[in-house]
Amino acid sequence: DGGITQSPKYLFRKEGQNVTLSCEQNLNHDAMYWYRQDPGQGLRLIYYSQIVNDFQKGDIAEGYSVSREKKESFPLTVTSAQKNPTAFYLCASRVGGSVTEAFFGQGTRLTVV
Amino acid sequence: AQKVTQAQTEISVVEKEDVTLDCVYETRDTTYYLFWYKQPPSGELVFLIRRNSFDEQNEISGRYSWNFQKSTSSFNFTITASQVVDSAVYFCALSETGANNLFFGTGTRLTVIP
Repeated sequence: DGGITQSPKYLFRKEGQNVTLSCEQNLNHDAMYWYRQDPGQGLRLIYYSQIVNDFQKGDIAEGYSVSREKKESFPLTVTSAQKNPTAFYLCASRVGGSVTEAFFGQGTRLTVV
Repeated sequence: AQKVTQAQTEISVVEKEDVTLDCVYETRDTTYYLFWYKQPPSGELVFLIRRNSFDEQNEISGRYSWNFQKSTSSFNFTITASQVVDSAVYFCALSETGANNLFFGTGTRLTVIP
């Protein structure tokens, strides 16, 4: 079935470590997004990519990095520079442009220990 | 600047009651798109509806209905005869023309009590 797969579902990180969250889609969508969700807050955009080998910073990109080497994949790295990384991370994709809805993965819950 | 406000942080209703979730938005664009998503406990956001700014017709889908009023910049969501399975966090979102982002409200947590 077509969809978006995020892994792992739960991730624990020690302070000072970098960790990478995986996002894969088989919907043939051009655009992909990473959002962060904190309790009581809406989803905030970290990075997005409209096409392979191109990506743009969102509202809260500091402490994060991404790559888009393949259309299907958009991994997010949470670096040690991110001071408060504990959150729920959601990956999304859509066909492109503002007229279409985004489809979401099941999320990765990252906890710093 | 675009903004989406969901003033109701949490709502609890008894099963079979009707419930309305409010969404108020701000945008300078004349062409824009509004969305509702449901986030069940599993975490994945489920798309419910998309509405463009030129279509103010209300929409009904089963027990769900949406009321879009440009005059008050509102896009409210009503669940009729609520069920326990409706318990979730519901997000309203806005996308402006040419924008690369969906801008989300802070969500409303709905609890349906059996």
